[in-house]
Amino acid sequence: DAGVIQSPRHEVTEMGQEVTLRCKPISGHDYLFWYRQTMMRGLELLIYFNNNVPIDDSGMPEDRFSAKMPNASFSTLKIQPSEPRDSAVYFCASSTPWGTAYNEQFFGPGTRLTVL
Amino acid sequence: GIQVEQSPPDLILQEGANSTLRCNFSDSVNNLQWFHQNPWGQLINLFYIPSGTKQNGRLSATTVATERYSLLYISSSQTTDSGVYFCAVWGFGNEKLTFGTGTRLTIIP
Repeated sequence: DAGVIQSPRHEVTEMGQEVTLRCKPISGHDYLFWYRQTMMRGLELLIYFNNNVPIDDSGMPEDRFSAKMPNASFSTLKIQPSEPRDSAVYFCASSTPWGTAYNEQFFGPGTRLTVL
Repeated sequence: GIQVEQSPPDLILQEGANSTLRCNFSDSVNNLQWFHQNPWGQLINLFYIPSGTKQNGRLSATTVATERYSLLYISSSQTTDSGVYFCAVWGFGNEKLTFGTGTRLTIIP
């Protein structure tokens, strides 16, 4: 199994530009999670999906952030317009449900975003 | 929400030493995971352990859910063990995984 795949691995952009991060979960996993990691706030859950449906987006910092999951094998996290304070490492994770979301999560390698 | 505290925050050891990392949580949990974030930033699953003890090579973990803590043991440390170790929990009635602040482990050759 290839594991969770994220792209790009690194992104450098200028303030005001649109940024799109991509994630391919492990095949067969029904839950997908987007996290952000910063030095100040540690690892934070932004949003998660179950069977392609967003379940909880209360962690999304503001309207500039949006996430979609058009099918079971692909999700995007978009920031428009980007700001320097969005600089962070963004992780995608997936897990199998077996009836709940409390199952082992597997993380992708992350996308390191730098907004100048 | 549930609070997760890890100790110690930093630990520096000589290669070959043993260590114990602790994770305390403020409320009952549905489940618990230990991760290792290596110096390249990758989050690697170590244990998925709601209760009891598990072992994987030089690593083992014990969770005592009734007393709201978990321990991660690393024996015969190697330089590749360096990085940050995170504990993360699911509270009851909450599907969100809450991470602790981590323990930064540095193994000196």
